[in-house]
Amino acid sequence: EPEVTQTPSHQVTQMGQEVILRCVPISNHLYFYWYRQILGQKVEFLVSFYNNEISEKSEIFDDQFSVERPDGSNFTLKIRSTKLEDSAMYFCASRAEGSNQPQHFGDGTRLSIL
Amino acid sequence: KNQVEQSPQSLIILEGKNCTLQCNYTVSPFSNLRWYKQDTGRGPVSLTIMTFSENTKSNGRYTATLDADTKQSSLHITASQLSDSASYICVVSARSGGYQKVTFGTGTKLQVIP
Repeated sequence: EPEVTQTPSHQVTQMGQEVILRCVPISNHLYFYWYRQILGQKVEFLVSFYNNEISEKSEIFDDQFSVERPDGSNFTLKIRSTKLEDSAMYFCASRAEGSNQPQHFGDGTRLSIL
Repeated sequence: KNQVEQSPQSLIILEGKNCTLQCNYTVSPFSNLRWYKQDTGRGPVSLTIMTFSENTKSNGRYTATLDADTKQSSLHITASQLSDSASYICVVSARSGGYQKVTFGTGTKLQVIP
């Protein structure tokens, strides 16, 4: 069964540095998402992306965050100047056309900011 | 404010026993409700999706119910197995224009013991 893959599985970065988290969604999916989960807390929505533009974003997704689909397969989340509180698991998800289609999640990237 | 509350926070049951997890929500306008299973260190995996008109949906040993009037859902697990040990997350989507806003519950951590 096709999967959403995320790289790296663990990223350690110094505070203030830029980080790019990478995702390869399922190939025929059109809707893409980023979520984060701070340790011990619930999953939080960050952003959704469709037709090469952001369709929704949460209040967490401020100017430090950006998303891009640089080619036909990758979907990236960039954090420009990381803060300690950005430490979390970041999950990418994708889904097919149809609002009741399930979102398929990757296994996440654990981001640790030092 | 859209909220999803789950109970209990955690649950320990004996292998082979049944259990029921609860989800109450205040999301509107309601679009759909999903139950996800999240193994430790993995991304969430979709178990069921229900729309407004659906009262019950099964996926193997998992049966979800939805009461859209009282804004409650339950996930019933039959004949539990050790591999059912995971967090179970209720996710409710609201329709916002042409898009969906998703709200995650805090999850119920289930431990199945021999």
